[in-house]
Amino acid sequence: NAGVTQTPKFQVLKTGQSMTLQCAQDMNHNSMYWYRQDPGMGLRLIYYSASEGTTDKGEVPNGYNVSRLNKREFSLRLESAAPSQTSVYFCASSSGQGYSPLHFGNGTRLTVT
Amino acid sequence: LAKTTQPISMDSYEGQEVNITCSHNNIATNDYITWYQQFPSQGPRFIIQGYKTKVTNEVASLFIPADRKSSTLSLPRVSLSDTAVYYCLVGPGATGRRALTFGSGTRLQVQP
Repeated sequence: NAGVTQTPKFQVLKTGQSMTLQCAQDMNHNSMYWYRQDPGMGLRLIYYSASEGTTDKGEVPNGYNVSRLNKREFSLRLESAAPSQTSVYFCASSSGQGYSPLHFGNGTRLTVT
Repeated sequence: LAKTTQPISMDSYEGQEVNITCSHNNIATNDYITWYQQFPSQGPRFIIQGYKTKVTNEVASLFIPADRKSSTLSLPRVSLSDTAVYYCLVGPGATGRRALTFGSGTRLQVQP
């Protein structure tokens, strides 16, 4: 049982390049989330998907797009990367029922030069 | 969402009990209190959750006074492996639009 799997683990981009971060969960969870964590900071919510077929903006959505491909997968796309998007990106999921806790992946460390 | 305040850092020694207090003065009636632990290069991991009084599991205890304006995470007999950042979150649960917001957390350093 892998839980939440994120790919890739590391990525270096040049300013203006695009890429997609992949996330998949095998816990049959309804809700999925993308957070970013800057050095020494807490996590900030970028986008979330309460259920398959729905997505909504979080605190810091500018510069990102998401796709809830199916119940298992939730991808995050950077259309034109900027140095300010250098961060560690975490995907999380929860059952979405009641006060269910978040289950996190181990993150993607992205550097934009 | 309720704003939380926790100490930026704490130091302890192996075998001691560590108590980390979180203030959440504007907690709402239907809010729960949830604590997560994060090791370097890993995503946060759920530790414990509670609504009122005391909750205990195999890892920690959570003490919540009657007014619920604060909570205390208690880690019994810490070891070096408990060195991590601990986050206190308050909210109605990770359900859709009410996804929880993380603060900067408390960095716990356990020394031999």
